[in-house]
Formats: sequence, C-alpha cells, structure tokens
Amino acid sequence: AQSVAQPEDQVNVAEGNPLTVKCTYSVSGNPYLFWYVQYPNRGLQFLLKYITGDNLVKGSYGFEAEFNKSQTSFHLKKPSALVSDSALYFCAVRDMGGSYIPTFGRGTSLIVHP
Amino acid sequence: DAGVTQSPTHLIKTRGQQVTLRCSPISGHKSVSWYQQVLGQGPQFIFQYYEKEERGRGNFPDRFSARQFPNYSSELNVNALLLGDSALYLCASSPRGSRTDLSGANVLTFGAGSRLTVL
Repeated sequence: AQSVAQPEDQVNVAEGNPLTVKCTYSVSGNPYLFWYVQYPNRGLQFLLKYITGDNLVKGSYGFEAEFNKSQTSFHLKKPSALVSDSALYFCAVRDMGGSYIPTFGRGTSLIVHP
Repeated sequence: DAGVTQSPTHLIKTRGQQVTLRCSPISGHKSVSWYQQVLGQGPQFIFQYYEKEERGRGNFPDRFSARQFPNYSSELNVNALLLGDSALYLCASSPRGSRTDLSGANVLTFGAGSRLTVL
C-alpha cells in the first residue's frame, strides 16, 4: 500500500521569507514523488517530481523539494515566498513496484502575507 | 495547444438523477484519468483509461462508470446521485498509460474540473 501525509492544513508565511510545506510518504518499494499546486477554481498544476538521482529537485516558479529516504519525506521549499504563491499544495506518491496510480495527500493551504 | 478541457464547468442536480461529465485530453495524450475532489480533501482516483480500455479503478461504487472514445476523449457517468457525490470532478491526461510509461513517472495534466452540486 502507498500513502502520503501532509501534516499541516495551513502554512502562513510573510512575503520574502522562506517557506516549507511538509510531506511524508509510505511505500513498499521505492517512490516516485510529485508536488502539484491548485489555484482557486483551477485544476492541479504540476510543480516538480522526484524519480531518482539528486535528492534536491528543482521545479517551476522557483520551488524545490528535498527527498529524504531515511525520513521518508519530500518537503517543498522556496527561498523567498511571494503573495502569488498563495494556493493549495498537494503531494503525491507512487510506488515504483506497486500501484501505477498516484495517491494524493489532502493538501496544504499556503498563505503568504504581504 | 489547448490544455485539458472539461465540461460542464458547473452543474446542479438533485438526488437520484444521473450526470455525464466530459473531458478532452491534450492533443497526443492517450490516457485519461478521473478524480473526485471533495472540499478539504485531496483528489481521489476514480478511473484510468488508456487506448479505450479501463486500466485502473478506484474504490467507488458501480454507480460510477466511464468510457474513452477513439479520439481519446472521455466521459464519466454517475447514476443515482447522492448528496455525497457533490464534489469537484477532475480529469487528467498523460501521454501514456501508467503501465506503459517507460519513464516510470507519468506527469498528469489536469483540467479545471466540473463542479457538481447535488441537492
């Protein structure tokens, strides 16, 4: 079985400050990990993914994520937050040796204050 | 190129009615997946279709059905609507089905969704 947890329903950060949105996962084998963002009244948009290789993955809009196998985490980060980053962020996982369908977390609402 | 398009964008139904939602994938994408997103939750997988065949099914009752057409567009049907079916229904397309994605990591491109309200 595969699962993903986003422990924070909401993250608040001031504009210009670094942000972190947390994600932990559980899979039987090795994971494929994804981050998607959802703006109001829109579908999900792909930000970045981890398949293999470097633990630090860079994605769209200045976002990056760090894969930590020992902590089974894939936290999303950005060095300097923008008000326009305010949105709903979803982490997703697929087990390389298991289900071919990704499992999504329940989402974290990021609010960036001016 | 147009992205994933879904119709209708909003609709209101009453309990017991039936609804059909439509999805057109990105040109060249052969796989379509359907997800249900209830307010405050992440997307829950309903179906995946590839080359007109069902390739995956989530934990949803038989009231939910889908199909994919030769042009790779897809329809999701829900019969005997319940209040709990109220949700945003998302369609996502990808170049290949998961089982044939040799890279091993399909990126899904989502449409804006169809918001269904059941009264």
